[in-house]
Amino acid sequence: DTEVTQTPKHLVMGMTNKKSLKCEQHMGHRAMYWYKQKAKKPPELMFVYSYEKLSINESVPSRFSPECPNSSLLNLHLHALQPEDSALYLCASSHRGQGGYEQYFGPGTRLTVT
Amino acid sequence: QQPVQSPQAVILREGEDAVINCSSSKALYSVHWYRQKHGEAPVFLMILLKGGEQKGHEKISASFNEKKQQSSLYLTASQLSYSGTYFCGTEMDSGGYQKVTFGIGTKLQVIP
Repeated sequence: DTEVTQTPKHLVMGMTNKKSLKCEQHMGHRAMYWYKQKAKKPPELMFVYSYEKLSINESVPSRFSPECPNSSLLNLHLHALQPEDSALYLCASSHRGQGGYEQYFGPGTRLTVT
Repeated sequence: QQPVQSPQAVILREGEDAVINCSSSKALYSVHWYRQKHGEAPVFLMILLKGGEQKGHEKISASFNEKKQQSSLYLTASQLSYSGTYFCGTEMDSGGYQKVTFGIGTKLQVIP
């Protein structure tokens, strides 16, 4: 199994809703990431978990709350989002390959905040 | 700090070659290259570590000049399937995970 899966593929939510994004990998990777990508822009790092501990929080607003219940699973809990939070949310995991840490992305969740 | 990537867009005919450049003003630990097709996730192509190296992946290869903190991605004899946006990602240190900062991307279109 060499893939990162994400659910749901699409999500529409209102500004008062609470929802969660889910990411899963079974490659034994011990680092997992959340990125946000706006249209025609590069991915922007939000959070990094290393060995299930939060290692990096790139000054992300508290309306985004990550969680890593185990080494295979990564969640992103969403609450009171703003329309400008609409974007593609990408999950990734990485392992040390021959030449360094190789990062593999999931297909993403396209989020629309109304 | 975001790496500087150039050109921002390029159109090629099948069989032509292209070079995409990525540079940083800071000392880098590694440079990563990804390709993203429209509506899809970025796909890892290769990683180059400090110390300067070259790598190849089918007809796509890359080099990393540590002295200049520059990396170049070479696409030779381009195919229609090469179309997409290419991102370089730079990393300044390694600690068991990556903090990769992506350049703005180069949109590559290969036409018949």
